[in-house]
Amino acid sequence: EVQLVQSGAEVKKPGESLRISCKGSGYTFNTYWVGWVRQMPGKGPEWMGIIYPGDSETRYSPSFQGQVTISADKSMSTAFLQWSSLKASDSALYYCARGYVLLFDPQYFDFWGQGTLVTVSS
Amino acid sequence: DIVMTQTLLFSTVTLGQPASISCRSSQSLVHSDGNTYLSWLQQRPGQPPKLLIYKISSRFSGVPDRFSGSGAGTDFTLKISRVEAEDVGIYYCMQTTQFPYSFGQGTKLEIK
Repeated sequence: EVQLVQSGAEVKKPGESLRISCKGSGYTFNTYWVGWVRQMPGKGPEWMGIIYPGDSETRYSPSFQGQVTISADKSMSTAFLQWSSLKASDSALYYCARGYVLLFDPQYFDFWGQGTLVTVSS
Repeated sequence: DIVMTQTLLFSTVTLGQPASISCRSSQSLVHSDGNTYLSWLQQRPGQPPKLLIYKISSRFSGVPDRFSGSGAGTDFTLKISRVEAEDVGIYYCMQTTQFPYSFGQGTKLEIK
């Protein structure tokens, strides 16, 4: 059974760093893309970026380029989303999702993690 | 960047009746490989998004056949043939033809 299990909720102060995780199981982690999506309270989801764990190719949406770092550890079947200096505006629910790929790029995102709530408050 | 627009933000439907949700993209979603990467996702309250339909009209594994997708180019529709109580939630169209990928604003389905 394919599963993406995300790390638990975090409460942080502005300026602190954070890394959240997304562990894939039930499939060959290296051969599917993993995407990260932000959902702010009461709003629709927004794409942050995607990573192909097989070769660590990473793409960032322009709004998130330079604001976060996406990485993956093949040996752990885990993808990460990282901030070096959090802001209150980073408070949101973050989802990871598996990108189904036939040749190169993800065609669609078929399995989703349960979400990680990040709260940034002084 | 491709902008996805769902003009109807709310839809109230009687149980057992059909529902239709539309989505338009700011440019054609036909990929250079000939496929159109338009998906529909359902998000129930307090739940992550769930894939219903991919490549315009392919139903994902386990999705009831009352859900169907259609369209081409820039105009797409999700139809529910007979709405059930469990269909309450927000429905998003999403394109993965061109990065950065993008979602529509969502259409909230309520049951009368």
